[in-house]
Amino acid sequence: AQKVTQAQTEISVVEKEDVTLDCVYETRDTTYYLFWYKQPPSGELVFLIRRNSFDEQNEISGRYSWNFQKSTSSFNFTITASQVVDSAVYFCALRDGAGGTSYGKLTFGQGTILTVHP
Amino acid sequence: DGGITQSPKYLFRKEGQNVTLSCEQNLNHDAMYWYRQDPGQGLRLIYYSQIVNDFQKGDIAEGYSVSREKKESFPLTVTSAQKNPTAFYLCASSVMTSGYTDTQYFGPGTRLTVL
Repeated sequence: AQKVTQAQTEISVVEKEDVTLDCVYETRDTTYYLFWYKQPPSGELVFLIRRNSFDEQNEISGRYSWNFQKSTSSFNFTITASQVVDSAVYFCALRDGAGGTSYGKLTFGQGTILTVHP
Repeated sequence: DGGITQSPKYLFRKEGQNVTLSCEQNLNHDAMYWYRQDPGQGLRLIYYSQIVNDFQKGDIAEGYSVSREKKESFPLTVTSAQKNPTAFYLCASSVMTSGYTDTQYFGPGTRLTVL
């Protein structure tokens, strides 16, 4: 069975601090996909990134960066120089690949509430 | 602009009533999904549909029903059989690539409250 664990329920930082959100996953599939979504107070989930299991390169997009390590089954998300607008709930999710159901079920973590104070 | 719309944004229901939540997408996506989100929890899948006139139960389908008569539309009915329907409901859609669903994109959600 697939499982995604976001151990940090809530994180509070002051603006301009760097913050890392942890995500650990479990899957028996050799092919799978990992995602991060942001849920601002408005409620809509905003897609941030998708990473497939064959690509362990880290990714940077502006102030956002992602560290994917298959050896530890982790896909951590770092925000550099955080801003108040980064305050949101962040979800990590796992989608099975060729070894799973044909439609590719998305399993979500519980989410991490990030609050950035001015 | 392409996107996913959900209506209404807020919905109040009396106990014993059925209510229908609307989800429309103009992204030409094949697959559509309904999720439920409870406070402090992740998303749980209610139903999904990969093609028109076909849909499958997710993890928590009891007390819900759906239809997929058009590619663009995937309405969700919360029936009186759903014991605890107060929650935030999110609709999503995705393309199908080589038989598998791709990245899911979400609508703005509907907050349902049972009075």
